[in-house]
Amino acid sequence: DIVMTQSPDSLAVSLGERATINCKSSQSVLYTSNSKSYLAWYQQKPGQPPKLLIYWASTREFGVPDRFSGSGSGTDFTLTISSLQAEDVAVYYCQQYYSPPFTFGPGTKVDIK
Amino acid sequence: QVTLRESGPALVKPTQTLTLTCTFSGFSLSTRGMCVSWIRQPPGKALEWLALIDWDDDKYYNTSLRTRLTISKDTSKNQVVLTMTNMDPVDTATYYCARILRGYHWNHFDSWGQGSLVTVSS
Repeated sequence: DIVMTQSPDSLAVSLGERATINCKSSQSVLYTSNSKSYLAWYQQKPGQPPKLLIYWASTREFGVPDRFSGSGSGTDFTLTISSLQAEDVAVYYCQQYYSPPFTFGPGTKVDIK
Repeated sequence: QVTLRESGPALVKPTQTLTLTCTFSGFSLSTRGMCVSWIRQPPGKALEWLALIDWDDDKYYNTSLRTRLTISKDTSKNQVVLTMTNMDPVDTATYYCARILRGYHWNHFDSWGQGSLVTVSS
């Protein structure tokens, strides 16, 4: 199974400041045939299902604010919130869909400082 | 518009078998490329992928839980059923179903249900 890890476990950022979350996979999730990394980011608020933010490591889902961006390839990925808003308080998960069994990271909790 | 809804018992006893149903609309599981997956989340903990079934009735399971899980589909009813045997209090979680599209390769979960909380207690 591909193991996903995230860092940090939690972070507190001032409103308007940048938040950065890292995700690492135990093996590459990049298909060289199409140069795509099979990595998604989800945001989850209390009592709600996860919401897709980013797929193919860097493609923003329709309707997701452009302050959210994803980067990385292969085994190392980053989710960046460029200017944290109050509504961004949530837990963020990365997930590989390179091959089943699909696996999620342990999550990173983002709060306001 | 794609929607998914989970249903099943809110409370099960230890050792019992859990049966959950995902009822969906906006797509058909007889259409090539369509897949439905189950994911769970214990209270305050991370998401855990459980199982997937595709349009061709191929099935995939969580490695550590595969002996306890069975996923099936009823295309005519637009339903996917997950059974989990020998339930234990550690299986207490919110159980979600979600859709995946599969082309030459896999895709992300693009639609999720609201989840169904299952508590395992005597």
